[in-house]
Amino acid sequence: DADVTQTPRNRITKTGKRIMLECSQTKGHDRMYWYRQDPGLGLRLIYYSFDVKDINKGEISDGYSVSRQAQAKFSLSLESAIPNQTALYFCATSGGRGVNNEQFFGPGTRLTVL
Amino acid sequence: QQQVKQSPQSLIVQKGGISIINCAYENTAFDYFPWYQQFPGKGPALLIAIRPDVSEKKEGRFTISFNKSAKQFSLHIMDSQPGDSATYFCAANTRAGSYQLTFGKGTKLSVIP
Repeated sequence: DADVTQTPRNRITKTGKRIMLECSQTKGHDRMYWYRQDPGLGLRLIYYSFDVKDINKGEISDGYSVSRQAQAKFSLSLESAIPNQTALYFCATSGGRGVNNEQFFGPGTRLTVL
Repeated sequence: QQQVKQSPQSLIVQKGGISIINCAYENTAFDYFPWYQQFPGKGPALLIAIRPDVSEKKEGRFTISFNKSAKQFSLHIMDSQPGDSATYFCAANTRAGSYQLTFGKGTKLSVIP
């Protein structure tokens, strides 16, 4: 089984709808991240969480919210989706205490907002 | 403000050739420089990483060259193979900060037979 899973893998929604993207991990990592990938723009950080009680905004948090339900679960919500939020979304995790900064990415969710 | 600038945006290399991707950074507090590889339909995965106390790190056909004074680092893929065709991202972060990775915009590498 994959260490970092994302659901759904694909989602088409309409402008104004609320949607939630979910991420689960079995790696036992404390840190979890949500990124957005757009062609030619690379990966941009939306939110990150170092533990259940520690959630921080990233570079592009406007229009998004997150919830860290448990150490293993981190959800991304779009309260009112708009077309320019059409993108590929990745969840990632990392662990350790500063020695290894490797982030492990999920397979991604392709979101289309019509 | 983009803190990690990556070039070229796309690269076509013949099989057996050398692929070179360059990155430049601005934040002198960065002290960890990974490269991630992403195949179509997959999430990025760590390929190789370097810390600024060394100027070069080699793992198989992949080498990172690091120039601290110029604030530049590059990925060299020797004997490039069609299976290396993917998008490559450089990144940087600082252990003293929040462990946030700042990514370059990516380079799409195509290795042709």
